[in-house]
Amino acid sequence: NAGVTQTPKFQVLKTGQSMTLQCAQDMNHNSMYWYRQDPGMGLRLIYYSASEGTTDKGEVPNGYNVSRLNKREFSLRLESAAPSQTSVYFCASSEALVGAANTGELFFGEGSRLTVL
Amino acid sequence: AQKVTQAQTEISVVEKEDVTLDCVYETRDTTYYLFWYKQPPSGELVFLIRRNSFDEQNEISGRYSWNFQKSTSSFNFTITASQVVDSAVYFCALSGGYSSASKIIFGSGTRLSIRP
Repeated sequence: NAGVTQTPKFQVLKTGQSMTLQCAQDMNHNSMYWYRQDPGMGLRLIYYSASEGTTDKGEVPNGYNVSRLNKREFSLRLESAAPSQTSVYFCASSEALVGAANTGELFFGEGSRLTVL
Repeated sequence: AQKVTQAQTEISVVEKEDVTLDCVYETRDTTYYLFWYKQPPSGELVFLIRRNSFDEQNEISGRYSWNFQKSTSSFNFTITASQVVDSAVYFCALSGGYSSASKIIFGSGTRLSIRP
């Protein structure tokens, strides 16, 4: 079973370049998430999507855009990459009911390591 | 606003010692969930437990136990008789309530090292 699949796993960008991180889940989950992980900062929520057709800002949304393409896919776009966006990015998904507190465990992808020079 | 604080950045103990990882949270919601995740050196994130805000019963699972106290907004995690395989970064996390249904935020993590 694939679970949550992220691509690419590694990427090096130059400052100002753009790129999109792709994420797909095959568990029919309603909610999807993008986090970034930096040393000493833990996991910080960038954007999340409670259900298909909705997206919301997390803790650190500046410099990013997201698209919930369908129930399976949730992409993260860096329009003009900056060195401060060097990080490991994790996509996650969970079962959740819209309008109810999230009761589900998060299922994570393997992470995408992004370096911006 | 939601906030999760894990004040212990790193902990190192000798194998077989007991160790407690602290987690303090802030939320204005009356309904919320708390979680613990483990991230071993391999990098994947492993779900350990979920606790809802209405259930303050402590939970034990083998060598792991969790103490949830709403009065102090804490959800602490204890490993009894620690083992080298417990070495990992441990994260506490908090969900939103009905107003921010799916928003889950994490603390900064505690790196636990178990020495043989």
